[in-house]
Amino acid sequence: DQQVKQNSPSLSVQEGRISILNCDYTNSMFDYFLWYKKYPAEGPTFLISISSIKDKNEDGRFTVFLNKSAKHLSLHIVPSQPGDSAVYFCAGHIQGAQKLVFGQGTRLTINP
Amino acid sequence: GAGVSQSPSNKVTEKGKDVELRCDPISGHTALYWYRQRLGQGLEFLIYFQGNSAPDKSGLPSDRFSAERTGESVSTLTIQRTQQEDSAVYLCASSQSPGQGYGYTFGSGTRLTVV
Repeated sequence: DQQVKQNSPSLSVQEGRISILNCDYTNSMFDYFLWYKKYPAEGPTFLISISSIKDKNEDGRFTVFLNKSAKHLSLHIVPSQPGDSAVYFCAGHIQGAQKLVFGQGTRLTINP
Repeated sequence: GAGVSQSPSNKVTEKGKDVELRCDPISGHTALYWYRQRLGQGLEFLIYFQGNSAPDKSGLPSDRFSAERTGESVSTLTIQRTQQEDSAVYLCASSQSPGQGYGYTFGSGTRLTVV
C-alpha cells in the first residue's frame, strides 16, 4: 500500500511565481514529514521538514504546510527560480523507527 | 570523504549473476541506510545500520538480498541471482546519529540494470 502519495508526476511554473507541491499520506505513525530535492544523477538532498505537531514551517523561500485532519501536506516555493527545477520527494518518518517512507516524486520545471 | 560515495555508478549484469554494490559513508557517521528507487516510484527503504549491526532489515525484498557493514564504515549490498525486477537505482545514505531524516546525506546511487 502506498502510504505517501504525490499525485502529480509533474508541474510547470513560470519563474517568479509560486510553486505548490502536494503530498497525501495514510499512516498516522509519521512523526515528521520531510521534503527532499533531487537533481539528475545526484542523490536527494534534504530541503525542509515539519513535525507532526506543527502546521507550518518556513525557511526562506520554502514553506511547508501540514493539515493533519486531511492528512495532506504541501510545499510552497516563492518566488520560484530556474534552479528550483528538480524532482521533489515528500517523505514521512515513522515514529520510533529509522526509516523514511517516500512518495513517488513530482518533477518541477521552472520556465523563464 | 566530503560526501557519501557509491560504486559503481552504473552496473549492467546478466540475469542470474550476483552483484555487489559499495557505499562509503561520511567519516564519523554511525548510521547508514540503503534505499532503492525503481522506475517511476519513490525511494523504498531496504536496511538500516547503526554501527556494524543492522537493527532493521525489514525492507530487504527477499533472501537474495544481503548487506553488511564493517569498521563502522564501508557497507556492501549484495544481490544474488539477480532478476530483472531488481533493476533500480540503489541509494545509500549516512547520518551522524539516528534521527528523523533531515540529517541524511545521500550518495549519487548505483544504477543497476539486469538484462
